Amino acid sequence: EVQLVESGGGLVQPGGSLRLSCAASGFTFSDYSVNWVRQAPGKGLEWVSYINGVGGIIYYADSVKGRFTISRDNAKNSLYLQMNSLRAEDTAVYYCARYPALTVLPRYFDYWGQGTLVTVSS
Amino acid sequence: DIVMTQSPDSLSVSLGERATINCKSSQSVLHSSSNKNYLAWYLQKPGQPPKLLIYWASTRESGVPDRFSGSGSGTDFTLTISSLQAEDVAVYYCQQYYSFPQTFGQGTKVEIK
Repeated sequence: EVQLVESGGGLVQPGGSLRLSCAASGFTFSDYSVNWVRQAPGKGLEWVSYINGVGGIIYYADSVKGRFTISRDNAKNSLYLQMNSLRAEDTAVYYCARYPALTVLPRYFDYWGQGTLVTVSS
Repeated sequence: DIVMTQSPDSLSVSLGERATINCKSSQSVLHSSSNKNYLAWYLQKPGQPPKLLIYWASTRESGVPDRFSGSGSGTDFTLTISSLQAEDVAVYYCQQYYSFPQTFGQGTKVEIK
């Protein structure tokens, strides 16, 4: 069974940093491209970042470029999101979401984690 | 960026009746080389992550009931629930994956009348 389990969310002050993790199981992690997608409270979905199977190709939404860094450790079956210079508008549930294949092109998300809540507030 | 606009924002339908949600993209998401529309539909229930329903505009994900169907091409798409069930109460989102950044519609809330 495919599982994606996020962790690392919490309350952080504006300007602070946080590192999210996503533990994958039930599939060969390195064979799939993965993403972070976020959802502000009561709002819609916003794609945040993409990374391919070996981590050589990475994309970011303009809203987080230069502040967030996506990475992966295939030996640990894990995806990460380092978030720096956090702002109130970064407050959201952050989901780890898998593409159905190893691709450098955008695709739909076939599996999602349950999400981890990040709250940026003083 | 491709802007996705859904209509209506909310929908109230009687049990067993048809529900129709529209999604319009600001530019075509039909890829000429593959002749595929790069459009997906999800549902999201309160407190849960989104769940994939439809991809390539009309291909139903494994395990999704056949009362859900997707149609359309180019810039105009429709998700139809042929006979609304109580468990279909959710917010529905369309998503384009024609180009980065992938973008979602604002969501359509479906309720029981």
